[in-house]
Amino acid sequence: DVKVTQSSRYLVKRTGEKVFLECVQDMDHENMFWYRQDPGLGLRLIYFSYDVKMKEKGDIPEGYSVSREKKERFSLILESASTNQTSMYLCASSLMAGGVQETQYFGPGTRLLVL
Amino acid sequence: KNEVEQSPQNLTAQEGEFITINCSYSVGISALHWLQQHPGGGIVSLFMLSSGKKKHGRLIATINIQEKHSSLHITASHPRDSAVYICAVRRKVGYGNKLVFGAGTILRVKS
Repeated sequence: DVKVTQSSRYLVKRTGEKVFLECVQDMDHENMFWYRQDPGLGLRLIYFSYDVKMKEKGDIPEGYSVSREKKERFSLILESASTNQTSMYLCASSLMAGGVQETQYFGPGTRLLVL
Repeated sequence: KNEVEQSPQNLTAQEGEFITINCSYSVGISALHWLQQHPGGGIVSLFMLSSGKKKHGRLIATINIQEKHSSLHITASHPRDSAVYICAVRRKVGYGNKLVFGAGTILRVKS
């Protein structure tokens, strides 16, 4: 079974703090994704990575950066947390087979509260 | 207007009822996903389809590419089906593909 784990289930940070959210997958997937989920808005893509050290901006990258130094690990960084970044953050991974992205597998989510 | 619209937003059903959740999209896609999210956050992929119909247990998903519409049906619904059901479409962008998500349908099945 594919397993996608996230470093924390709940996190409370103060405005201006630097926040690291880590995601690890154990199935050698090429693609990894970071989403945020807010009520009424659904999931929105922040960044994704299709290979080590490669990244592409999603729909809402402002205020975030990412790092993928190893294939299994994809980190989301909030350089200076703000209250409007309070949200549920979900990581996902997927295999690329024959140039086609397969099903995405999601982590359990990290609920971040910025005070 | 969102690229992916789901209806209804909220749905309450009695145990045993047949349930339909609809998804309409306005962009070209390569595939459509139905996802299930239980309280606590975990998301599970139910179906990925690009044409026709798929069935898994009591769940059936259909897609009509010409009409840009998909439906998720649950037969003989049960309280354990209570969850948020999310429709997502796969669009080709840049070097990869990205999913664009609907806002979700909150389903509650009462016993």
